[in-house]
Amino acid sequence: GAVVSQHPSRVICKSGTSVKIECRSLDFQATTMFWYRQFPKQSLMLMATSNEGSKATYEQGVEKDKFLINHASLTLSTLTVTSAHPEDSSFYICSARGGGVGQETQYFGPGTRLLVL
Amino acid sequence: QKEVEQDPGPLSVPEGAIVSLNCTYSNSAFQYFMWYRQYSRKGPELLMYTYSSGNKEDGRFTAQVDKSSKYISLFIRDSQPSDSATYLCAMTPGGGNKLTFGTGTQLKVEL
Repeated sequence: GAVVSQHPSRVICKSGTSVKIECRSLDFQATTMFWYRQFPKQSLMLMATSNEGSKATYEQGVEKDKFLINHASLTLSTLTVTSAHPEDSSFYICSARGGGVGQETQYFGPGTRLLVL
Repeated sequence: QKEVEQDPGPLSVPEGAIVSLNCTYSNSAFQYFMWYRQYSRKGPELLMYTYSSGNKEDGRFTAQVDKSSKYISLFIRDSQPSDSATYLCAMTPGGGNKLTFGTGTQLKVEL
């Protein structure tokens, strides 16, 4: 099956610093990548959708200036949490979807656990 | 009312039991249906992917879609302790639209 990696798997940072999370599709070209956030015992919350080479589309209530998304290539998307605060502590998961008709499945990365002190 | 309803559980079954997990939905435009398994502190893993109504079998897993009733199911035969996880249903109309997820059902298979 399709493999998606995320790095780092876990990060601890001080309040006010910025954190970058990378998402890579290892064995397929991802025309679209998604970023989710998940709180304990809750389902996935979509933050934004990004297509290669274009600006990300953010869900309502997600601050685009705080969560910067770059989808520079068909295999790499990055999420930067700027000026992180303790309330940004969460589990961030990316997913990737290939192109083509009927290619609706999203393949998820292993997630990044962010703790802001 | 949520677009996708899923019983959060927890659902506890003995090893070897047949497990039935279900989701109902309200949007008749949904055409593509997926089941994901998520272990604690891990990303979701795709288990089954079906298009429109019908059944699909893969090993111990069977996915069923009944579009007329807006109801999808995942059956797990001969359940194992390693099946203990949260199971998420997801669906989309297609055409590049985003997935809509259920809240997930927590399953525990006990020895």
